[in-house]
Amino acid sequence: EVQLVESGGGLVQPGGSLRLSCKASGFTFSKYAMSWARQAPGKGLEWVSSISGSSDITYYADSVKGRFTISRDNSKNIVYMQMNSLGAEETAVYYCSKRSTTRGGIDDYWGQGTLVTVSS
Amino acid sequence: EIVLTQSPATLSLSPGDRATLSCGASQSISSSYLAWFQLKPGLAPRLLIYDASNRATGIPDRFSGSGSGTDFTLTISRLEPEDFAVYYCQQYQDSPRTFGQGTKLEIK
Repeated sequence: EVQLVESGGGLVQPGGSLRLSCKASGFTFSKYAMSWARQAPGKGLEWVSSISGSSDITYYADSVKGRFTISRDNSKNIVYMQMNSLGAEETAVYYCSKRSTTRGGIDDYWGQGTLVTVSS
Repeated sequence: EIVLTQSPATLSLSPGDRATLSCGASQSISSSYLAWFQLKPGLAPRLLIYDASNRATGIPDRFSGSGSGTDFTLTISRLEPEDFAVYYCQQYQDSPRTFGQGTKLEIK
């Protein structure tokens, strides 16, 4: 059974940093790209970043480019999201997801999310 | 980027009813790389439909997806109590992948 468990969320001051983790199990982690998305309170979902299985390719939404860094440790089955210079508008539940290897690469399994609150 | 517009914003129905949710795209999703997700508070988003019309693993056959180009539909044939949730469409043809703003399916 595929399981994704996010952690690392919490309260951070504006301008601060936070590192999220997503522990994966139930599949051969290194073979799959992984992604992060977020949902701000009362808002819709927003894709944030993705990373290939071997870490050689990364993608970022324009809104986080230069401030967020996605990485992974295939020996530990963990994907990370380092978030710097956080703003209040980035208060959200952050989800990680596994990308399928089907032709389009849909994100087929998701974690329950971790809440990040940016506030003074 | 491709903008997805979902309608209605809220749909009030009763268990046993048929639900029809729409998702319109600002430009053609010619690949049919369009998915539907179900979200409930505190739970992981659940993939229902991918490639516009394919049910994901374990999804009951009362859920079906259809459409092409710029107009897509999620149909739930007979609503069960556990189906009341928020539904999002997502396109994964172009980067960035974008979501609609959601349709809340509530009990009437």
